[in-house]
Amino acid sequence: EDQVTQSPEALRLQEGESSSLNCSYTVSGLRGLFWYRQDPGKGPEFLFTLYSAGEEKEKERLKATLTKKESFLHITAPKPEDSATYLCAVQAGLVDGQNFVFGPGTRLSVLP
Amino acid sequence: ETGVTQTPRHLVMGMTNKKSLKCEQHLGHNAMYWYKQSAKKPLELMFVYNFKEQTENNSVPSRFSPECPNSSHLFLHLHTLQPEDSALYLCASSQRDRGDYGYTFGSGTRLTVV
Repeated sequence: EDQVTQSPEALRLQEGESSSLNCSYTVSGLRGLFWYRQDPGKGPEFLFTLYSAGEEKEKERLKATLTKKESFLHITAPKPEDSATYLCAVQAGLVDGQNFVFGPGTRLSVLP
Repeated sequence: ETGVTQTPRHLVMGMTNKKSLKCEQHLGHNAMYWYKQSAKKPLELMFVYNFKEQTENNSVPSRFSPECPNSSHLFLHLHTLQPEDSALYLCASSQRDRGDYGYTFGSGTRLTVV
């Protein structure tokens, strides 16, 4: 069974304090790993897609990396506006299905 | 208006009521989805529609009934719900033939069953 776990469940950082969020997955035939950001009362917002081990993508203070078993979302010098829940999702399978398995998320709080 | 729009934003209903959630996407996408998000649980896929055809029903109880009249509109009809059905219901859309796609989500409908 495909599974996605995320750690930590919650993370509090001071503004400027860099850190990383983890997404570990167990899937058969990874087609893609996705990161989303979700603000309270809103739907998730797409951030990145990673397809193969060794791949990296960056957007402002965020950098996502992928290995064969996990992905990291690195946050460099975070600001209070980076506070949100970060969701990881994997798409698996041998056919072009659209079944995404989401992790439970990491709730990030960045204090000024 | 752009993106994915969901109405209503909030809904309180009794267990004997019938109500419908509406989703509309203005992105020209060809796939639409319903997800359920409960507190402290991962997003749960409920239904998938590709080109208006339902291709996934993830063991959802029959008290939830989806409808997709065209590729831009998606409904979720609700009847005789239970309190444990209270959750955030999210609609999403995507373009299936794009290689690097992610979902575009709406803001959700916060449903409370009393």
